[in-house]
Amino acid sequence: DGGITQSPKYLFRKEGQNVTLSCEQNLNHDAMYWYRQDPGQGLRLIYYSQIVNDFQKGDIAEGYSVSREKKESFPLTVTSAQKNPTAFYLCASSIHRADQPQHFGDGTRLSIL
Amino acid sequence: KNEVEQSPQNLTAQEGEFITINCSYSVGISALHWLQQHPGGGIVSLFMLSSGKKKHGRLIATINIQEKHSSLHITASHPRDSAVYICAVRFLNSSGSARQLTFGSGTQLTVLP
Repeated sequence: DGGITQSPKYLFRKEGQNVTLSCEQNLNHDAMYWYRQDPGQGLRLIYYSQIVNDFQKGDIAEGYSVSREKKESFPLTVTSAQKNPTAFYLCASSIHRADQPQHFGDGTRLSIL
Repeated sequence: KNEVEQSPQNLTAQEGEFITINCSYSVGISALHWLQQHPGGGIVSLFMLSSGKKKHGRLIATINIQEKHSSLHITASHPRDSAVYICAVRFLNSSGSARQLTFGSGTQLTVLP
């Protein structure tokens, strides 16, 4: 079955440490997105990529980095510069056409030790 | 300012009841999405609409463009409908080609047996 796979489901980070969240899709979608979800707030866009080797900052990109070396993969690195990284992170993808629905992964919950 | 507001924030119902969740937005949109987030965190797209009404099983979504308002209805509710329901819109004045969505903070629905 086609879909989006995020791993790991739970991740713990020590202070000052970078961690990378994986997102893989086999839907042949061009566009991929990373969102952050905090309690009581709507999802906020961190980064997005419309094609391979290209990505753009979203609303809250500071302290995060991404790469898009392959169409299927869009990993997110939470760097030590992100001062409040504890959150639920969701990856999504969509066909590169207007008004197409986004498909979401099951998310990664990141906590600070 | 581009804003999306959902009501109520929390909703508890008895099995079999008719459920309505509301979504209001501030300015013109090109599309509105209703999403369902399961307790584990994964998100599923329920509807995408830009006018009128859509129905899928016991779920009905309506939108009134003039009033900038959408509703999600669940008929004959069941405990398995318990989830967070999220409204997301793409505003007509969104810059860039990211097809960025602005998300509401969600409605937590609990259906009791």
